[in-house]
Amino acid sequence: DGGITQSPKYLFRKEGQNVTLSCEQNLNHDAMYWYRQDPGQGLRLIYYSQIVNDFQKGDIAEGYSVSREKKESFPLTVTSAQKNPTAFYLCASRTGSGYGYTFGSGTRLTVV
Amino acid sequence: AQSVTQLDSQVPVFEEAPVELRCNYSSSVSVYLFWYVQYPNQGLQLLLKYLSGSTLVKGINGFEAEFNKSQTSFHLRKPSVHISDTAEYFCAVSVNQGAQKLVFGQGTRLTINP
Repeated sequence: DGGITQSPKYLFRKEGQNVTLSCEQNLNHDAMYWYRQDPGQGLRLIYYSQIVNDFQKGDIAEGYSVSREKKESFPLTVTSAQKNPTAFYLCASRTGSGYGYTFGSGTRLTVV
Repeated sequence: AQSVTQLDSQVPVFEEAPVELRCNYSSSVSVYLFWYVQYPNQGLQLLLKYLSGSTLVKGINGFEAEFNKSQTSFHLRKPSVHISDTAEYFCAVSVNQGAQKLVFGQGTRLTINP
């Protein structure tokens, strides 16, 4: 079955370390998104990409970086510049012509 | 820019009672509207969406929502809830142009009591 795979499900890092969250999709979707979820704040857009080798900042991009070298993959790096990295991170993808967003099951990052 | 306000952060109801989760949005252009459900430590699952046409939209698990353009609302309803409906619910909007980014509300936690 097609879908989005986020790994790992839980991730622990020490403060000051960079960490990369994986997002892979086999849906042949053009667009991919990264959202951050905090209690009581809903989901906020970090970065998005509509085609390979191109991406744009979302509303809260500071302290994060992404790449889109392959259509299937959109990894997110949480850098040491992100002041409050502990959160639940969700990856999503969408076909080019429709509204069929598909979400991954998320990665819970805890920085200690 | 678009924004979404979910008017209740928590809604407790008894099993088999009806429920309404309220959502208001703001936008200077026409929008598309969505309701998603999230179970603990999982991703989001689409309940229903409004793109055009009939303002009453039916979704999965017995949920429905009504688009009200004059009141800029998209409230979610279910006539009789079950314990399994306990989850967090998110209202979201997007526009049919550009990156079609989803803008989410803050979420409503629905708790079903036996």
